[in-house]
Amino acid sequence: RKEVEQDPGPFNVPEGATVAFNCTYSNSASQSFFWYRQDCRKEPKLLMSVYSSGNEDGRFTAQLNRASQYISLLIRDSKLSDSATYLCVVNDMRFGAGTRLTVKP
Amino acid sequence: EAEVAQSPRYKITEKSQAVAFWCDPISGHATLYWYRQILGQGPELLVQFQDESVVDDSQLPKDRFSAERLKGVDSTLKIQPAELGDSAMYLCASRLEIYNEQFFGPGTRLTVL
Repeated sequence: RKEVEQDPGPFNVPEGATVAFNCTYSNSASQSFFWYRQDCRKEPKLLMSVYSSGNEDGRFTAQLNRASQYISLLIRDSKLSDSATYLCVVNDMRFGAGTRLTVKP
Repeated sequence: EAEVAQSPRYKITEKSQAVAFWCDPISGHATLYWYRQILGQGPELLVQFQDESVVDDSQLPKDRFSAERLKGVDSTLKIQPAELGDSAMYLCASRLEIYNEQFFGPGTRLTVL
């Protein structure tokens, strides 16, 4: 089993849609979690940290479920500019393979 | 805003040649990472430094790859000899403390012909 696994995607959604990604991790001792966004041929950039209590930043909501060992990212009211690859990361800096999102007009 | 610097941004080389990449992390960041990212995949950790010490190089192909961070600041990743399968983006990242996020440099895109 891979250390970090993500929904394979791709996700193709219309503008305004709500979309959710999940990411499972194998190390139950993991302490910190992040979502990164990566545009084509660019470096990953931090989107959100994921806290135990969950956190929200505008249209983006991140949740942590320790019992089932997964984190989630919810994007509401999708914009064309949200089109990117979303990568989840656990504290030992292992990345998932990424989930490709395309938002269409 | 402080940034991670990498050079060169692009490198084209022939197989069996040697290549080297340089990274300068954000000032004060003790932890430095080198990743390899093949198109369509997530970044794969090659090596992690804490100051000048290697913390994790379990995924580094040591027969051809080497990495150093002699003074605990900037770092160099070397490949010798390069192979066709080494074509990828090589990303450097740094981190202040263990529970903080990483900051990435722009990467070096390597093409091996």
